[in-house]
Amino acid sequence: DAKTTQPPSMDCAEGRAANLPCNHSTISGNEYVYWYRQIHSQGPQYIIHGLKNNETNEMASLIITEDRKSSTLILPHATLRDTAVYYCIVRANFGNEKLTFGTGTRLTIIP
Amino acid sequence: NAGVTQTPKFRILKIGQSMTLQCAQDMNHNYMYWYRQDPGMGLKLIYYSVGAGITDKGEVPNGYNVSRSTTEDFPLRLELAAPSQTSVYFCASSYYSWGTGPWSYGYTFGSGTRLTVV
Repeated sequence: DAKTTQPPSMDCAEGRAANLPCNHSTISGNEYVYWYRQIHSQGPQYIIHGLKNNETNEMASLIITEDRKSSTLILPHATLRDTAVYYCIVRANFGNEKLTFGTGTRLTIIP
Repeated sequence: NAGVTQTPKFRILKIGQSMTLQCAQDMNHNYMYWYRQDPGMGLKLIYYSVGAGITDKGEVPNGYNVSRSTTEDFPLRLELAAPSQTSVYFCASSYYSWGTGPWSYGYTFGSGTRLTVV
């Protein structure tokens, strides 16, 4: 898997949009960008993934730059329950490809 | 639909003891995984399985064994527990169809087993 770079921590005010950046400058053409989060020692939770187009689901939006070297996860209206560690992972979608976790970004939502 | 169920949630072992961490999924996923997470660190892959009867090593397999006799179950065996195995263990599953991939919904993780070896 290509390596990713994320800031170790970020704060965001409750009700505001949280924008979490991720750099993946060595991403290959067949590798997707995945985002997971882990709330206080629970098992990681899948959020969203994309290849090159922007994606949106009920949890978040994913914006991938045109050169695919970076992406941003957007939580549109952050709540206290969004406080978690967020992992950005790049990975090809072949059968034997596994998720490799880094240390992620610790997002703290401030009341 | 329970998803991925791990038992036990907590366990304290003495050095040299053995135990089996249980993992079961009811989503008919073909792929299953075991990860460990040390304090303040990301998850590291121990073993994985792409189907019943097929297992393979991940990044940190030493000191562990696995088996996959059914699609639903993927137990992790610790032999001769050591303090370095103190960690939180997560089991996960996913579905991949060689004809229709990718994984549309990602991995589903269990809630973890917190193991302390003293």
